[in-house]
Amino acid sequence: GENVEQHPSTLSVQEGDSAVIKCTYSDSASNYFPWYKQELGKRPQLIIDIRSNVGEKKDQRIAVTLNKTAKHFSLHITETQPEDSAVYFCAAKRVNTGNQFYFGTGTSLTVIP
Amino acid sequence: DSGVTQTPKHLITATGQRVTLRCSPRSGDLSVYWYQQSLDQGLQFLIQYYNGEERAKGNILERFSAQQFPDLHSELNLSSLELGDSALYFCASSVEAGGPDTQYFGPGTRLTVL
Repeated sequence: GENVEQHPSTLSVQEGDSAVIKCTYSDSASNYFPWYKQELGKRPQLIIDIRSNVGEKKDQRIAVTLNKTAKHFSLHITETQPEDSAVYFCAAKRVNTGNQFYFGTGTSLTVIP
Repeated sequence: DSGVTQTPKHLITATGQRVTLRCSPRSGDLSVYWYQQSLDQGLQFLIQYYNGEERAKGNILERFSAQQFPDLHSELNLSSLELGDSALYFCASSVEAGGPDTQYFGPGTRLTVL
């Protein structure tokens, strides 16, 4: 099965700086890569996703990049704000196969005002 | 609001008891997933159902079982509860079958075993 590794497990940045979280996956057939943000005690919420036919996707201060050859994808948050503090999870899946999502272990991001 | 509903929101029970958690997926979603999240832990995948059939099993204990009904709602049954079963239990759903595969999470059920 798929194995998703996520680094770092904790990340502290100063407000206004950028944050980068990296994930690697093992199954070359995985072709859908979502990122979730989870605030304490709340549900994980999808913040951005990318499919394997795209190398990069941006949504305001958030971007995701995908390197299919190296089998890794990254979340980039620019101009970080205190409200970006949360746990971020990456995941990988084969689209439209009815298969499960494979999640990384999470990154706890703290933005220091 | 993701459109995925879970009941109850909170559940407090004693060791050795049995509980049932309920999930209603978003309208049109065929896949339902159950996850367990203990304090300060990641999302542990338990089990997935797709259109009424079990599709994948993760780290689900034998004391736990689940099913998906014809109307696509799902129930997770936890029996012989232990203190270590205290956790947030999330249900999520996705459409599959040619859809965008986006997975949406419900608000979770917080289970406390005393």
